Amino acid sequence: EIVLTQSPGILSLSPGERATLSCRASQSVSSNSLAWYQQKPGQAPRLLIYGASSRATGIPDRFSGSGSGTDFTLTISRLEPEDFAVYSCQQYGGSPLYTFGQGTKLEIK
Amino acid sequence: QVQLVESGGGLVEPGGSLRLSCAASGFTFNDYYMSWIRQAPGKGLEWISYISTGGDAIYYADSLKGRFTISRDNAKNSLYLQVNSLRAEDTAVYYCAREGHCSSSSCYYFDYWGQGTLVTVSS
Repeated sequence: EIVLTQSPGILSLSPGERATLSCRASQSVSSNSLAWYQQKPGQAPRLLIYGASSRATGIPDRFSGSGSGTDFTLTISRLEPEDFAVYSCQQYGGSPLYTFGQGTKLEIK
Repeated sequence: QVQLVESGGGLVEPGGSLRLSCAASGFTFNDYYMSWIRQAPGKGLEWISYISTGGDAIYYADSLKGRFTISRDNAKNSLYLQVNSLRAEDTAVYYCAREGHCSSSSCYYFDYWGQGTLVTVSS
């Protein structure tokens, strides 16, 4: 089973700062298979990034994804007030077919 | 626009059953694989199952196999999840989600989600 471990668990930053969120896989995965989601309280997750680095439709360019092998990163270049949320990574192709990380909560400092 | 609307959740006693439904609109339902994903209170997302366009390919998370049954009715643009022998640890928000994919191999993700339906298992 492929396990995704996200760090940090909680990230406290101020609007305008840069956020760097990590997702580490327990074994090497295809970069094509890595996606990132944003989730706000009481809402469904929203797709941000797929294929490790491709932005989904309508996602601002301050969001970017990178990485390969076991280490992947979601970067938010300049935090806007609406960016404070929980971010989860997801991987396709292991067993189970889809796995998610436990999430990183991005909170206002 | 794409809409996924879940229903069928509620309070159920341990050992009980529920049938969750997901009504899809705004896209050609029978062109897309669909999944159920759940999220326990304060926890991360957990994929449950997916079903192919025609329903001939179905996969479950190994830990949940046996108590969960996914199905779809393309004529009704609907996805279903039958959940039996419910346990307290099944308490969660259950989401249906549409599977998207890009041209690269292994590039699969969930591009649209419903708002979820809450299942609470308690006596």
